[in-house]
Amino acid sequence: EAEVAQSPRYKITEKSQAVAFWCDPISGHATLYWYRQILGQGPELLVQFQDESVVDDSQLPKDRFSAERLKGVDSTLKIQPAELGDSAMYLCASSYHRGGELFFGEGSRLTVL
Amino acid sequence: QKEVEQNSGPLSVPEGAIASLNCTYSDRGSQSFFWYRQYSGKSPELIMSIYSNGDKEDGRFTAQLNKASQYVSLLIRDSQPSDSATYLCAVNNFNKFYFGSGTKLNVKP
Repeated sequence: EAEVAQSPRYKITEKSQAVAFWCDPISGHATLYWYRQILGQGPELLVQFQDESVVDDSQLPKDRFSAERLKGVDSTLKIQPAELGDSAMYLCASSYHRGGELFFGEGSRLTVL
Repeated sequence: QKEVEQNSGPLSVPEGAIASLNCTYSDRGSQSFFWYRQYSGKSPELIMSIYSNGDKEDGRFTAQLNKASQYVSLLIRDSQPSDSATYLCAVNNFNKFYFGSGTKLNVKP
């Protein structure tokens, strides 16, 4: 069964360090999303790609977060420097087209000490 | 006002009962609606999508949409302990998804 791949599953880092997450969407899915989910809350969109282009990064804290999807397939989300408040689950999702059903990867749980 | 509102629960139902989960949304122009199940520590898993007014059934699950009232619900029939999870409502509005904070469901054996 096709699925969204994410790594690492867990990451513990100290504040001010850099951290990166990787996502490989379901094959053929043109739209890729990065969400952040804090415990007890729903996922909140960080950035949305259509192929290799960013279509929405209005909620991405651009002073410390960056995201890319260079060839329109896999994607990397980077945080530098990490802050205590960045501790959360980082979820990647993909859909066949914009507005279509989202399918999530297993997520990357970040703990910043 | 949040885009999507859900009662956080917990909603407790006995095994075999019907669980009813509700969600309201603020933007009348929203086009499509989704229910996700999320087990503790895991990622959301799509249960159902619904696009037009009325009911949509899939096995033990029924999604109901009332656009006039801006209301989406999920019914789970014959609830099982394995249904115990947080259920997230998501609304798509012009290709932007908004998630509620989820309702925690406990199914007691």
